[in-house]
Amino acid sequence: AQSVTQLDSQVPVFEEAPVELRCNYSSSVSVYLFWYVQYPNQGLQLLLKYLSGSTLVESINGFEAEFNKSQTSFHLRKPSVHISDTAEYFCAVSRMDSSYKLIFGSGTRLLVRP
Amino acid sequence: DADVTQTPRNRITKTGKRIMLECSQTKGHDRMYWYRQDPGLGLRLIYYSFDVKDINKGEISDGYSVSRQAQAKFSLSLESAIPNQTALYFCATSGMTSGDYNEQFFGPGTRLTVL
Repeated sequence: AQSVTQLDSQVPVFEEAPVELRCNYSSSVSVYLFWYVQYPNQGLQLLLKYLSGSTLVESINGFEAEFNKSQTSFHLRKPSVHISDTAEYFCAVSRMDSSYKLIFGSGTRLLVRP
Repeated sequence: DADVTQTPRNRITKTGKRIMLECSQTKGHDRMYWYRQDPGLGLRLIYYSFDVKDINKGEISDGYSVSRQAQAKFSLSLESAIPNQTALYFCATSGMTSGDYNEQFFGPGTRLTVL
């Protein structure tokens, strides 16, 4: 079975500071990795995903995540956050042989302060 | 217009009542899902459907049932609502036929409160 751990339930940070949201996973088989973002009162939107190839993946709004197979991690980073990045971020995995089934972490609430 | 819509967006009901949450999509996707979100627990899969005739239980299906009325419609029912079913419910879709099979697209959610 797969599991996803997001150790930080909330991360407060000042505007323009860097941030890292941590995600570790457990799986006996190869997986795909995802970060979803949930803005207040909205559904989830895909932020970025790792399927294969380069272990560093980027989003259009400046976030990046690096797949580290040896550490089974997929941490999300941004060098300079904006107030508008305030949201809840979910890490998720799916088995490569059953990619329809997403397993979510418990989420990390990013709170960006002016 | 939103690609995945859910109705109602908010619902307050009483213990023992039957409730139906509806989901519609215009993405042409064949796969549809129902999740519930609870604070500190992330999202958990209730049911999923690969097409109109293929419905499967997720990890927390007890107390719920679903109906796939058409490729574009997937309803979730609580036959006899109980307070611990108070949660935020999300519908999602993915498209094996369209190539979007690695990404799920979520609706805006339904906030359900059972008193």
